[in-house]
Amino acid sequence: EDKVVQSPLSLVVHEGDTVTLNCSYEVTNFRSLLWYKQEKKAPTFLFMLTSSGIEKKSGRLSSILDKKELFSILNITATQTGDSAIYLCAVQFTGNQFYFGTGTSLTVIP
Amino acid sequence: DAMVIQNPRYQVTQFGKPVTLSCSQTLNHNVMYWYQQKSSQAPKLLFHYYDKDFNNEADTPDNFQSRRPNTSFCFLDIRSPGLGDAAMYLCATSSPTWYSYEQYFGPGTRLTVT
Repeated sequence: EDKVVQSPLSLVVHEGDTVTLNCSYEVTNFRSLLWYKQEKKAPTFLFMLTSSGIEKKSGRLSSILDKKELFSILNITATQTGDSAIYLCAVQFTGNQFYFGTGTSLTVIP
Repeated sequence: DAMVIQNPRYQVTQFGKPVTLSCSQTLNHNVMYWYQQKSSQAPKLLFHYYDKDFNNEADTPDNFQSRRPNTSFCFLDIRSPGLGDAAMYLCATSSPTWYSYEQYFGPGTRLTVT
């Protein structure tokens, strides 16, 4: 059965810490992996990854995909309270179909 | 600004009373999705339209129907809502290209069933 697993389920850190969020998947006909940030509203897009080993970077956030080991990580450096959110990983397969993981809840304490 | 709009933002309906949620987009995207998100769970895809082509997920209950009268609008009809249907309903759009399948989400409609 296809699935997307994120870890940890929740995380509490202090401002300035660096965090690594994990997403592993077992999906047939993989096409892409996407990371979203969800606060008290709909998810907002962060990154889309299709190729192994190529890091995507946006400010303090970066992400990389390993298609051999079937996982991706999302790194956030120098965390801020505004980074507190649920981070969702979604894997696309066979065209327009997506599976979402259950998310990692990140809380950044001042 | 181009966007995905969902109305209403909050909907309260009675057990068994049909309800319709609406989604409109100004992005001119050809794919529209409906997701159901319950508390502390990931969004679950209910169905999607690729242009007028309707694609239903195998485990979407028959109680859920959808209509897409034109490119801009898509509706989610719940024929006989049960207490278990209380959730956030998210509409999303995308315009797949060879390099991007990014989805744009609306703000969601929170459905309460009494």
